[in-house]
Amino acid sequence: EAGVVQSPRYKIIEKKQPVAFWCNPISGHNTLYWYLQNLGQGPELLIRYENEEAVDDSQLPKDRFSAERLKGVDSTLKIQPAELGDSAVYLCASSFTPGGQASYEQYFGPGTRLTVT
Amino acid sequence: GDSVTQMEGPVTLSEEAFLTINCTYTATGYPSLFWYVQYPGEGLQLLLKATKADDKGSNKGFEATYRKETTSFHLEKGSVQVSDSAVYFCALSDYTGNQFYFGTGTSLTVIP
Repeated sequence: EAGVVQSPRYKIIEKKQPVAFWCNPISGHNTLYWYLQNLGQGPELLIRYENEEAVDDSQLPKDRFSAERLKGVDSTLKIQPAELGDSAVYLCASSFTPGGQASYEQYFGPGTRLTVT
Repeated sequence: GDSVTQMEGPVTLSEEAFLTINCTYTATGYPSLFWYVQYPGEGLQLLLKATKADDKGSNKGFEATYRKETTSFHLEKGSVQVSDSAVYFCALSDYTGNQFYFGTGTSLTVIP
């Protein structure tokens, strides 16, 4: 089966510019996650979707970050405007969680490496 | 709050050496515990998991036992190979199943 697809794999932008990342989860997976991974650190959850509903966005910096998951499948994460400190890897993951619990295995995409100059 | 602490790297071993990567956790109730592996240029992959105390997760020669008394989930492998070179992340899902926490990762390099 196809894995989690993310694009682009790499993105270089100047500060104050907007940027968007796209994620296509594994078919049938109802839960989708966006994580931020700084160099030398573990992933940190930004937002979690159950189908099309954002059920946990407490760690998403809402002044500049936004996300959507239309129709409960693909998702887009946007940053506007980008800051130097946003340089990181943005990971998307998905899982099938019949009870809506995060204890089920998450499948990760390869990530998008963002560099803000 | 809940958290995961794992040993800092990098770790360099010779092929066929014994591997231990320590992981301890702080959590309310009974979390589920995981080890993920990230090979160069790839996404994280689940290596093994344990969902209750005294469970042993195992996969590809790796194993880890959920020890509630010591709040630990150490990763072990008896004989590492060059192909095991990667970054290993310990993680937990809290007792509600709604929160997921990762450790900072331990880089392993196995030399021939």
